[in-house]
Amino acid sequence: LAKTTQPISMDSYEGQEVNITCSHNNIATNDYITWYQQFPSQGPRFIIQGYKTKVTNEVASLFIPADRKSSTLSLPRVSLSDTAVYYCLVGSYSGGYQKVTFGIGTKLQVIP
Amino acid sequence: DTGVSQDPRHKITKRGQNVTFRCDPISEHNRLYWYRQTLGQGPEFLTYFQNEAQLEKSRLLSDRFSAERPKGSFSTLEIQRTEQGDSAMYLCASSSLAEQETQYFGPGTRLLVL
Repeated sequence: LAKTTQPISMDSYEGQEVNITCSHNNIATNDYITWYQQFPSQGPRFIIQGYKTKVTNEVASLFIPADRKSSTLSLPRVSLSDTAVYYCLVGSYSGGYQKVTFGIGTKLQVIP
Repeated sequence: DTGVSQDPRHKITKRGQNVTFRCDPISEHNRLYWYRQTLGQGPEFLTYFQNEAQLEKSRLLSDRFSAERPKGSFSTLEIQRTEQGDSAMYLCASSSLAEQETQYFGPGTRLLVL
């Protein structure tokens, strides 16, 4: 499974755009990139997934360069409720599910 | 709310005792996963079920751990002869065939072994 590297922590002011970059140099051809969000004492929540280029949903955007060795999660205009840990995962589908490994994630602190 | 539910939410036990946790996935989700999460770390995969079949087990799942999903609906995770190192949050997740990239997680069961 491809190893991912992301910043341990980030601070941002309310209303700003936050970009969290994840490195996955050993990403395989069949691997997808997935981001989850986790609040304290809760299970992780799916945010977004992509394979290449750009993906956008109602919550975030995911930018993936052509070499796919990194990806950037973009959160527009963060609010205090976006304070959480964000995990970047890389994995392929095998046996009917995506085999992924969670790292320690990026702890985002949104400041008023 | 028809999300993933787990019971109990908290469990305190003495070393050497057996504990069992239950997970009820989202209805019609045929895939179910168990993870373990310790403080400051991301969730670690333990095992995966497709319907009632346990298709994958992590090496983290020692002989003291057993998981079942007898009718392809709810699942149980049992830990026998608990050790202090078993103290963690145990998370359950489920996914559907149509949305296999999305695992929906439950709130977890926090286990403390004294």
